[in-house]
Amino acid sequence: QVQLQESGPGLVKPSQTLSLTCTVSGGSISSGGYYWSWIRQHPGKGLEWIGYIYYSGSTYYNPSLKSRVTISVDTSKNQFSLKLSSVTAADTAVYYCARESIAAAGFDYWGQGTLVTVSS
Amino acid sequence: SSELTQDPAVSVALGQTVRITCQGDSLRSYYASWYQQKPGQAPVLVIYGKNNRPSGIPDRFSGSSSGNTASLTITGAQAEDEADYYCNSRDSSGNYVVFGGGTKLTVL
Repeated sequence: QVQLQESGPGLVKPSQTLSLTCTVSGGSISSGGYYWSWIRQHPGKGLEWIGYIYYSGSTYYNPSLKSRVTISVDTSKNQFSLKLSSVTAADTAVYYCARESIAAAGFDYWGQGTLVTVSS
Repeated sequence: SSELTQDPAVSVALGQTVRITCQGDSLRSYYASWYQQKPGQAPVLVIYGKNNRPSGIPDRFSGSSSGNTASLTITGAQAEDEADYYCNSRDSSGNYVVFGGGTKLTVL
């Protein structure tokens, strides 16, 4: 059974960089066939895709966040990470990592989500 | 186009059938996937592809598509189906992921 687990600070100061890591267990990122995404949800709002990475390191980012987002992968640790720079209160949200099957589409596995609050 | 549009709220009587829709130009080229999200929980995939259910999803959930509209149908809605439902797909380029704004389903 594949499991994803987000980790990182729950509180980030304005203008700083938000950093989160997603650890994947029960399956290998290196096996291919999947995109590994970050998705966020502002309090009481809908889902917003941030970006995804393939095991090779190729990435696509939401155009609205592209200038501030970096997603990277560490296949040796079976992890992928998110960095979001120059954060403001508007970046306060629950951040999820999720796996998307390339063949079947759809995000079939999600982490439980982690709340990141941007505040001084 | 990179937008998917959903009705904000839908209600259904217990045991009746409800259809939740998702509209967007990219749906002419890509299937929608559907997610159920209950308060405080991560979304759960309920439909993907043409009309596929992951293991463990009841067969009262089904999906369909016509033109620029994808639909999630719950046949015989149960109290536990009360949740937010989101559609997602790709934008017209196929490179970017898009989500609908979500539909809050109330089971009366």
